[in-house]
Amino acid sequence: DGGITQSPKYLFRKEGQNVTLSCEQNLNHDAMYWYRQDPGQGLRLIYYSQIVNDFQKGDIAEGYSVSREKKESFPLTVTSAQKNPTAFYLCASRTGAQETQYFGPGTRLLVL
Amino acid sequence: RKEVEQDPGPFNVPEGATVAFNCTYSNSASQSFFWYRQDCRKEPKLLMSVYSSGNEDGRFTAQLNRASQYISLLIRDSKLSDSATYLCVVISVLNTGGFKTIFGAGTRLFVKA
Repeated sequence: DGGITQSPKYLFRKEGQNVTLSCEQNLNHDAMYWYRQDPGQGLRLIYYSQIVNDFQKGDIAEGYSVSREKKESFPLTVTSAQKNPTAFYLCASRTGAQETQYFGPGTRLLVL
Repeated sequence: RKEVEQDPGPFNVPEGATVAFNCTYSNSASQSFFWYRQDCRKEPKLLMSVYSSGNEDGRFTAQLNRASQYISLLIRDSKLSDSATYLCVVISVLNTGGFKTIFGAGTRLFVKA
């Protein structure tokens, strides 16, 4: 079945630690996105990539980094510079610029 | 003013009721519109696209009013399973020729027996 997978479902981060969230899609979509959702709030764009080996900062990129070495994969690293990382992280992908986005099941990141 | 605004609710309605949500957008160059549904602690899922001519899917009807710059979602004969947060999504054309997707913060709906 085609779809988007994210792992892990829950992730715990210690102070000063970098952690990486995985996002994989087998939909053959060119564009991939990372969003952050805080309780009771809308989605905020962290980073996006429209093509392999290229990515752009979104609205809240500080403290995060990404890579896009393969079309299928778009991992997000939450660095120690991100002082308030506790949130629900959603990865999405889509084919065209005006097409709908399809989301993965999300990763919930908690700080110990 | 936010680019996309929704009434956060919550809307509390009895089963069988009709409920409507609106979503206003500020960019007149917006071109594509969608409604997503998000269940608690889950990812958003596409509910329906919103076309200029309106769009109906069973108990759900979506409409676009370009003159007043809002989209609406009407749910008829509400079911308990309709309880969720409904997000409106607007895709706008940028001055650079690119596109920007903006998600509303969502409207929470509780349907009660």
